[in-house]
Parts: sequence; structure tokens; C-alpha cells
Amino acid sequence: QSLLTQPPSVSGTPGQKVTISCSGGSSNIGDNFVYWYQQYPGLAPKYLIFRNDQRPSGVSDRFSGSKSGTSASLTISGLRPEDEADYYCAVWDDSLRAVEFGGGTKLTVV
Amino acid sequence: EVQLVESGGDLVQPGRSLRLSCAASGFTFDDYALHWVRQAPGKGLEWVAGISYNSISLGYADSVKGRFTILRDNAKNSLYLQMSSLRAEDTALYYCVKDYSSSWFASGHFPHWGKGTLVTVSS
Repeated sequence: QSLLTQPPSVSGTPGQKVTISCSGGSSNIGDNFVYWYQQYPGLAPKYLIFRNDQRPSGVSDRFSGSKSGTSASLTISGLRPEDEADYYCAVWDDSLRAVEFGGGTKLTVV
Repeated sequence: EVQLVESGGDLVQPGRSLRLSCAASGFTFDDYALHWVRQAPGKGLEWVAGISYNSISLGYADSVKGRFTILRDNAKNSLYLQMSSLRAEDTALYYCVKDYSSSWFASGHFPHWGKGTLVTVSS
């Protein structure tokens, strides 16, 4: 059972904006940077957002991250069929002294 | 281009040992921390272990502490995961992951991932 709570699934139609939440606590999100990863079936995860809201080079500006208190969000705007994937948040936990991943959210583009 | 190539995954019986390897290229190996992250079939990601650039600092998930050992050989640009007392719940795809910095501690910053090697623990 992860310390970070993500909705198991979200969906949207092409062109819409969707938000995936990641809820934690004071020992993880409340005190550390949040990272987001995208994973297609059968492939390794890909680095999407770092340090709460920064995009690596090559990542579309349709992806954005934010953090407030003990929660974080990944927002995908202008939804495209190719955005259909699993998304994971990750953050260091001060109490566990370990990296924690959220349970993952499956995004479906209908 | 950063490349991380895992090997060593296999079908093993519960209680046995196995050693995973990760061959790295495309970057200055001894400048960066490295990690192992696993994913059980149909499940989410789980951080397993991390090691600093110089092997002085190590860390493990509670689920593997005392059973798994992370090691690196900077002369060979290689990362290893020595796994012992394997359990059915260790069955997973194991990814070799390069950190953004030289320290594994307080991280989560994983720009580069290998494709993984599959470990199946079953009798």
C-alpha cells in the first residue's frame, strides 16, 4: 500500500484537459520534490516532470505539474490519443528514508 | 546516449539467490547515483534500492532490507543487485535507473531507465 494516493483511472476526450492527483503527507510531498513518470504498456517509464513543475527538454508543454501542501497534480491539456498511458508520481519520504511511488493512474482517451 | 542494459533475470525457486547486472554506457558512470526499481506483473512501480556514485551510501526499501544488496563496479561501468532468500512477492521486472545526481538519498529524480530484466520466483 503506497503512501501516495492516486486515482486508479481518469479519462478524457481529445482536446480536453485532465488532471491526475497525488495525495501524500508531511513526510513526503509536504517536504520534498514531486516527480512524474509516464509509462506505456510494455515499455519502461519515461521522465515527465521533475521538481514539482519542471519539464525535461523534449517533453511537451501540454504537460504541467504543480504542488500545494501535501498534494500534487499532473495536468495534461489538449489531450491526444497518444497520451493514453499510466502515470506515476514519485517522492522521497523522510520517515521511510525511501523513494515512494504512487499507485499509478491509467489515463484513457475516449 | 545513455544506455542501461539489465541482465540476469530468471525463474528461480523460493529461498534461492540471484544476481542482476546492469551495463551502463553513454555517460560518466562514476558521477551518478543508481537505483533498482521493480514492477510486479500488472502492478505499479516500487523503488528497491539506491547507491551513491562512490558506493559509500546505500539505501533499501523495507521489503528487501537484509535480503538484497546493491553494488556497483565503477571500473566496469556496472551496477548489480544481489538478491537472496527470494520470495514469490519478489517476482517483477527489475529496472536499472540512473539518478540525476551523485546521491541516491532524498531523490526520486530518475531521468534514465533501462528496459528491465524479469525475475520470476516460483517452485
